[in-house]
Amino acid sequence: DAGVTQSPTHLIKTRGQQVTLRCSPKSGHDTVSWYQQALGQGPQFIFQYYEEEERQRGNFPDRFSGHQFPNYSSELNVNALLLGDSALYLCASSATRTSGGYYNEQFFGPGTRLTVL
Amino acid sequence: LAKTTQPISMDSYEGQEVNITCSHNNIATNDYITWYQQFPSQGPRFIIQGYKTKVTNEVASLFIPADRKSSTLSLPRVSLSDTAVYYCLVGDLLHSGGGADGLTFGKGTHLIIQP
Repeated sequence: DAGVTQSPTHLIKTRGQQVTLRCSPKSGHDTVSWYQQALGQGPQFIFQYYEEEERQRGNFPDRFSGHQFPNYSSELNVNALLLGDSALYLCASSATRTSGGYYNEQFFGPGTRLTVL
Repeated sequence: LAKTTQPISMDSYEGQEVNITCSHNNIATNDYITWYQQFPSQGPRFIIQGYKTKVTNEVASLFIPADRKSSTLSLPRVSLSDTAVYYCLVGDLLHSGGGADGLTFGKGTHLIIQP
């Protein structure tokens, strides 16, 4: 059973460009969350998708947008890239809890390292 | 959500027991406590979760005193591979029931294990 996968692994862009990152959730998971992790910091929550809609959003500008597909995979789009957008972008998946298990346990992918020059 | 405070870094040696304490003075009745582990260039990994008293799994133990204003992650007999950043998170039990919430991470504790 594959865990959470993300692509690409690394990406280099220049200021002002646009980027799309992709995530495939763990099998059986229907919810995808995206996080940004700057060097030396903890991950910061960007937004979460469930049933193909954005359900929650953190404190990030509208330049950050996303999408979830019927197969639960997701994309993160960032427009008008700034130098400060350079970070590790993490995708996490989780299952809508029905019974048992841990509360809000999220499974993270390895991340996409974005460098903006 | 309750704010959490952890030591920025800790050092220990292989074979020792390591205890990392997290302070969450404003924890609410509905809040639960979760710890994640993160290795360099990898995503965080769930370690353990609890609400009160003591929880133990195959990886760690979590001690939560009666007032729940702090919690301690205990790693028995650490090895070099336990070198990682450990995050303490507090979440709302009622809000996340039946669904997921965005997780709130602090800066975590950088644990370094030496030979």
